[in-house]
Amino acid sequence: KQEVTQIPAALSVPEGENLVLNCSFTDSAIYNLQWFRQDPGKGLTSLLLIQSSQREQTSGRLNASLDKSSGRSTLYIAASQPGDSATYLCAVIWNNDMRFGAGTRLTVKP
Amino acid sequence: NAGVMQNPRHLVRRRGQEARLRCSPMKGHSHVYWYRQLPEEGLKFMVYLQKENIIDESGMPKERFSAEFPKEGPSILRIQQVVRGDSAAYFCASSPLDSALARGYTFGSGTRLTVV
Repeated sequence: KQEVTQIPAALSVPEGENLVLNCSFTDSAIYNLQWFRQDPGKGLTSLLLIQSSQREQTSGRLNASLDKSSGRSTLYIAASQPGDSATYLCAVIWNNDMRFGAGTRLTVKP
Repeated sequence: NAGVMQNPRHLVRRRGQEARLRCSPMKGHSHVYWYRQLPEEGLKFMVYLQKENIIDESGMPKERFSAEFPKEGPSILRIQQVVRGDSAAYFCASSPLDSALARGYTFGSGTRLTVV
């Protein structure tokens, strides 16, 4: 069964701190992995897409890594800001089938 | 390119009524996926459709829920005889044929269904 797990479920940090969000998945035969951000009551915004042949992707203060063999991905956020407060969702794609983790709710305190 | 369009954004239904949620994929996209997000929970896969075909409906409740993606027009998620437990945000995603693997998915803004 293909499952995606995210830890921690919630995280609160002071502004300026670097942080790491974790995502693990069963079945390493993935096609790609996508990180999304969701603000309360809003839709999903795609942050980074890592294809199965890649090990990491970077966009601004965000860096996502992928280790297929161990079934893990991390999202690294540098110099966090209050505006980064949101729920971060990890989605894994197997053969045109996408499954989500439950998300990590991030709060960055000023 | 207007992106993935979902309507209505908000829908209120009384128990026992029918809810119809619409999703227009991005231009050129032939794959549509529906997900449900219950309050304080993650997104759960419901159904995956291509034009005129249901590919995977393993996440759909066995009763009252149905989905279609006709040759012309938007994809429709239909919920009959709604109950309070159906209250959730329903998201639609689309992807182009055989390109989802490289480009990922694009999501609509969702329809928030409230059953009163």
